[in-house]
Amino acid sequence: AQSVTQLDSQVPVFEEAPVELRCNYSSSVSVYLFWYVQYPNQGLQLLLKYLSGSTLVESINGFEAEFNKSQTSFHLRKPSVHISDTAEYFCAVTPTDSWGKLQFGAGTQVVVTP
Amino acid sequence: NAGVMQNPRHLVRRRGQEARLRCSPMKGHSHVYWYRQLPEEGLKFMVYLQKENIIDESGMPKERFSAEFPKEGPSILRIQQVVRGDSAAYFCASSPIGQGGTEAFFGQGTRLTVV
Repeated sequence: AQSVTQLDSQVPVFEEAPVELRCNYSSSVSVYLFWYVQYPNQGLQLLLKYLSGSTLVESINGFEAEFNKSQTSFHLRKPSVHISDTAEYFCAVTPTDSWGKLQFGAGTQVVVTP
Repeated sequence: NAGVMQNPRHLVRRRGQEARLRCSPMKGHSHVYWYRQLPEEGLKFMVYLQKENIIDESGMPKERFSAEFPKEGPSILRIQQVVRGDSAAYFCASSPIGQGGTEAFFGQGTRLTVV
């Protein structure tokens, strides 16, 4: 079984400031890792994912996440946020050797203010 | 190519009534997943279906909940005799294959309110 812990339920941040959202997981098997973003009253959109290879993965809108196997973490970062980044962010994992049932963290609400 | 379509977007039911939530996967996707999001919580897996087959229903409550994905038509999540605790957002996702790591595309959800 897998579990995902997002350490911060809410992160307030000023526009153009950096932000880091923390995600730790536990699993007895190898996993793939994902970050999803949910805007108000919307479904989830995939932000980025780690399957294999380079431990640093990037999204097209400036987010990046680094897989750290020894610390079982997959923290999400952005060096400079915009107002439009206000949303809820979910970290998720799925086993590599089975079908893709996603185990989600509880989410981190990012609120960007001017 | 339309995305995952869920309807209705909002559904209000009185206690004891039935709720039927529909999900049309993306074109070419034969794998459907249902998740439930309770207030202040992340999404919890409910059930994974392929056409005419339930593959994994380990997240489904034992009573009142059922799901199907017929050969023709949308996937249906059915909740009988709803109670206030069923109030939540229900999300459907689809993928072209079921392999882990394959991106699942999510619909906008159905927000069920039980009064």
